[in-house]
Amino acid sequence: AQTVTQSQPEMSVQEAETVTLSCTYDTSESDYYLFWYKQPPSRQMILVIRQEAYKQQNATENRFSVNFQKAAKSFSLKISDSQLGDAAMYFCAYRTTQGGSEKLVFGKGTKLTVNP
Amino acid sequence: DVKVTQSSRYLVKRTGEKVFLECVQDMDHENMFWYRQDPGLGLRLIYFSYDVKMKEKGDIPEGYSVSREKKERFSLILESASTNQTSMYLCASSRRSGGTQYFGPGTRLTVL
Repeated sequence: AQTVTQSQPEMSVQEAETVTLSCTYDTSESDYYLFWYKQPPSRQMILVIRQEAYKQQNATENRFSVNFQKAAKSFSLKISDSQLGDAAMYFCAYRTTQGGSEKLVFGKGTKLTVNP
Repeated sequence: DVKVTQSSRYLVKRTGEKVFLECVQDMDHENMFWYRQDPGLGLRLIYFSYDVKMKEKGDIPEGYSVSREKKERFSLILESASTNQTSMYLCASSRRSGGTQYFGPGTRLTVL
């Protein structure tokens, strides 16, 4: 079974600085999807970024980018120019492409604090 | 924009009560999901449905059941609520294949 590990329960960053959140996963599959979701305090979980494993190019969405290392099974999220609104729980998630399963496997999350 | 709504943001119930949590999505998505979120454990899948009247167990289905009579609506049922079911419950939906899951705002359930 696939597992997702986020080794940093909490992280902090100064406003305008850059922070990287770590995520590793375990799978024997060659094709899959990886996601980063953001859950602000008392607010809805939203998708930050998505990566298809067959794409070698790292996904980017404005200030958010990933470092996808397929051989190392690593999928870290970099937040540049951190803003107060980036403070949230961040969850890394894995989804298989096999067997029609749409199930997401989540890590336990990293709480990001942004200091003014 | 995709909209996933949940019937209540906060709910307080007594042990032994039957509890219904409802989720509605407006994007004609085939797949719908119920997760439970607990501190330090992340999100765990309870049940999911890939079509009307179809359901599959997730990782922690014990003590829960689901109902999907209409495509847009997916209900989570706690037949006899227990204190260990106190948690945040999140609903999500996605299109049939390869779709991103979109989440509702969550229902924080407290069972006394």
